[in-house]
Amino acid sequence: ILNVEQSPQSLHVQEGDSTNFTCSFPSSNFYALHWYRWETAKSPEALFVMTLNGDEKKKGRISATLNTKEGYSYLYIKGSQPEDSATYLCARRKSNQFYFGTGTSLTVIP
Amino acid sequence: NAGVTQTPKFRILKIGQSMTLQCTQDMNHNYMYWYRQDPGMGLKLIYYSVGAGITDKGEVPNGYNVSRSTTEDFPLRLELAAPSQTSVYFCASSYRPMSGTYEQYFGPGTRLTVT
Repeated sequence: ILNVEQSPQSLHVQEGDSTNFTCSFPSSNFYALHWYRWETAKSPEALFVMTLNGDEKKKGRISATLNTKEGYSYLYIKGSQPEDSATYLCARRKSNQFYFGTGTSLTVIP
Repeated sequence: NAGVTQTPKFRILKIGQSMTLQCTQDMNHNYMYWYRQDPGMGLKLIYYSVGAGITDKGEVPNGYNVSRSTTEDFPLRLELAAPSQTSVYFCASSYRPMSGTYEQYFGPGTRLTVT
């Protein structure tokens, strides 16, 4: 079992605040790290796929970094908006299998 | 494209009954996956397939069976439903480009209750 842990479990921020959360994973035999955004009553949607140590990806106000040597990835949201409210999942891919964390639930208060 | 579709959306089963959860994708993806999601837990991989005719067990395969006779379809079978199989089931698919970095596309989920 390849445990993926996410922190914090939940987060409430004011509109306009920037925030970040963490995904930790075993660093051995690393293939890729995936971030997903999961809105209530919808399906998870892919945000980023990261494979190389030091990778940085950005999509609008959301960005992510990857450290494969120490086994963590950070997701940053700049200037949070109410529409950013969702659960953010990370998953470690090893070969053809994905191992998901339990997610960070973000609520942005208008 | 409809993407990944799942049927039914909801189902209530009695203990010992059997059923098949359907999953279809129209993106010509060769990889398909079945996950279950329980409260407070991450998505757990049940079975996956890397192409028609090829399936493999994931983290939690017990009590389930799958088949992959076509690229488009990947049904999940519960033979003897048990209360522990009460969960939300998600099907996903992905295409694996040469670079090996591939995203999963998820279906809308099937909420199953076994009583």
